[in-house]
Amino acid sequence: GQNIDQPTEMTATEGAIVQINCTYQTSGFNGLFWYQQHAGEAPTFLSYNVLDGLEEKGRFSSFLSRSKGYSYLLLKELQMKDSASYLCAVDNYGQNFVFGPGTRLSVLP
Amino acid sequence: GAGVSQSPSNKVTEKGKDVELRCDPISGHTALYWYRQRLGQGLEFLIYFQGNSAPDKSGLPSDRFSAERTGESVSTLTIQRTQQEDSAVYLCASSLEYSSNEQFFGPGTRLTVL
Repeated sequence: GQNIDQPTEMTATEGAIVQINCTYQTSGFNGLFWYQQHAGEAPTFLSYNVLDGLEEKGRFSSFLSRSKGYSYLLLKELQMKDSASYLCAVDNYGQNFVFGPGTRLSVLP
Repeated sequence: GAGVSQSPSNKVTEKGKDVELRCDPISGHTALYWYRQRLGQGLEFLIYFQGNSAPDKSGLPSDRFSAERTGESVSTLTIQRTQQEDSAVYLCASSLEYSSNEQFFGPGTRLTVL
């Protein structure tokens, strides 16, 4: 079966660091996406991990462990505009894309 | 350049009617994806096209749903005999090629079935 788990909601303070976890069990795996979705808007791409390890892109970093079926998105120096839902999605190669339920992050002043 | 566009942006229909949703991908993108997002929920993958071909249609919720793509461009998602549970935002995305490339999302079509 296909299963992706993320925390439903998280809260953090402006300027802090937050880690959003994602665990997955899918019948196939080619890579893992992270998307950001502000309320009422379409998702926008953040990162795509294929190999194990950490990939850093500005304030955002994404980590993948294929053996553990685990990924996280790390957001540093949080800003109010980072308040959004963060979607983890598995590229189930040749079959489909499976999205997690999303984590709603609230950044407080 | 232009992004992914979808039409209509909003559609209100009566239960039992057919609806057709349209997606115009970014020019040159060979892969096109359809998703459904119910209020407050995550994205549900429906179908993807590589060129004009849809290799796997098993993500479509029922046989009332169908999709086609012509000329490696425009795609339409058709829902026949709509039901209230079909109410959702239908998102279309495109990418240069299937799988490893970033998907660019359209603004979505908000479908309300009364």
